[in-house]
Amino acid sequence: AQSVSQHNHHVILSEAASLELGCNYSYGGTVNLFWYVQYPGQHLQLLLKYFSGDPLVKGIKGFEAEFIKSKFSFNLRKPSVQWSDTAEYFCAVIPPSDTDKLIFGTGTRLQVFP
Amino acid sequence: DVKVTQSSRYLVKRTGEKVFLECVQDMDHENMFWYRQDPGLGLRLIYFSYDVKMKEKGDIPEGYSVSREKKERFSLILESASTNQTSMYLCASSLELVPDITYEQYFGPGTRLTVT
Repeated sequence: AQSVSQHNHHVILSEAASLELGCNYSYGGTVNLFWYVQYPGQHLQLLLKYFSGDPLVKGIKGFEAEFIKSKFSFNLRKPSVQWSDTAEYFCAVIPPSDTDKLIFGTGTRLQVFP
Repeated sequence: DVKVTQSSRYLVKRTGEKVFLECVQDMDHENMFWYRQDPGLGLRLIYFSYDVKMKEKGDIPEGYSVSREKKERFSLILESASTNQTSMYLCASSLELVPDITYEQYFGPGTRLTVT
């Protein structure tokens, strides 16, 4: 079945460490890609999105993601994490065949320790 | 600022009860969605609606129904609650997706439903 995969289920880092969270999708054709974040006790909110153009996308709070079409990937990165980045991160895709929907990955829980 | 509100943050119901979860958005969005969020499973789409009185099944519609009588309001109904419907329920809204135009779903705070 076509899907969105996040292989890192739980990531634990110390402050100032670099972060990379993987996201792979299995849809062919043109896709629209998103990263959402859910801080403890808060709404799910958009971190960044890719629709077209420069495959390196910059989002809020110093996050960025790179769309690599040949690898069907949209990995999220941050050079130096902070304790306040502790949250759950979700990758999501609008597939070309079903543009009414967002398909979410299973999420990655990030814990950052001071 | 887009605001999506849900009627309850926490709800406890008994098995067999009929449960209504309400969602209201204030940005005149065409599309509205209901998801459930479970650990290790991410967000799974239950139902969505792209217009008043219109609804489409998502990936896991069994045991649920929806109602959209007004554009700003989208209700999720559990006809006869069961323990396996204990979950976090998230409502979202968006404008209609237009090719090459930016798009975002805006989420409510969620309702944590426990069925005992």
